[in-house]
Amino acid sequence: DGGITQSPKYLFRKEGQNVTLSCEQNLNHDAMYWYRQDPGQGLRLIYYSQIVNDFQKGDIAEGYSVSREKKESFPLTVTSAQKNPTAFYLCASSIYRGGSNQPQHFGDGTRLSIL
Amino acid sequence: GIQVEQSPPDLILQEGANSTLRCNFSDSVNNLQWFHQNPWGQLINLFYIPSGTKQNGRLSATTVATERYSLLYISSSQTTDSGVYFCAVGTTDSWGKLQFGAGTQVVVTP
Repeated sequence: DGGITQSPKYLFRKEGQNVTLSCEQNLNHDAMYWYRQDPGQGLRLIYYSQIVNDFQKGDIAEGYSVSREKKESFPLTVTSAQKNPTAFYLCASSIYRGGSNQPQHFGDGTRLSIL
Repeated sequence: GIQVEQSPPDLILQEGANSTLRCNFSDSVNNLQWFHQNPWGQLINLFYIPSGTKQNGRLSATTVATERYSLLYISSSQTTDSGVYFCAVGTTDSWGKLQFGAGTQVVVTP
């Protein structure tokens, strides 16, 4: 079945530690996205990538980094510079056709907590 | 950037009742999606509806793009309809990005 796989489902971070969240898709989608969700709130965009080897900052990119070396993979690193990393992180993908927006499909998310 | 407002923020329904959720947005859109987030956090695609009307079982949605709003209808609600419903929009210059509303928390009681 085609879909988006996020791992791990739960992740704990110690102070001063970088952690990496995995996102893999086999939908052959061009674009991929990372969102952060805090309790009781909507999703906010962290980073997005429209093609391989290119990515752009979203609304809350500070303290995060990404890479897009393969079409199917878009890992997110939460660095020690992110002072409040506890949140639910969701990855999404979509077909990309210039200015024509296509529906986004989401993975099941990773819950990150501080130890 | 574009503003997205959802109403009501909370909704309590008895099983079998009908309801309407509203999404207002502040600019022209070429993408509008409705999602249901279940208690486990999974975000389920309900509708991709930048304009027009669609139906899927007990759910239907209508977007009136010229008046900048969308409605999600839930008929004969069931306890499994509980969760948070999000509206998200994209614009011509947003390059595929979605702007989410704050959501409507729905609780369906037996």
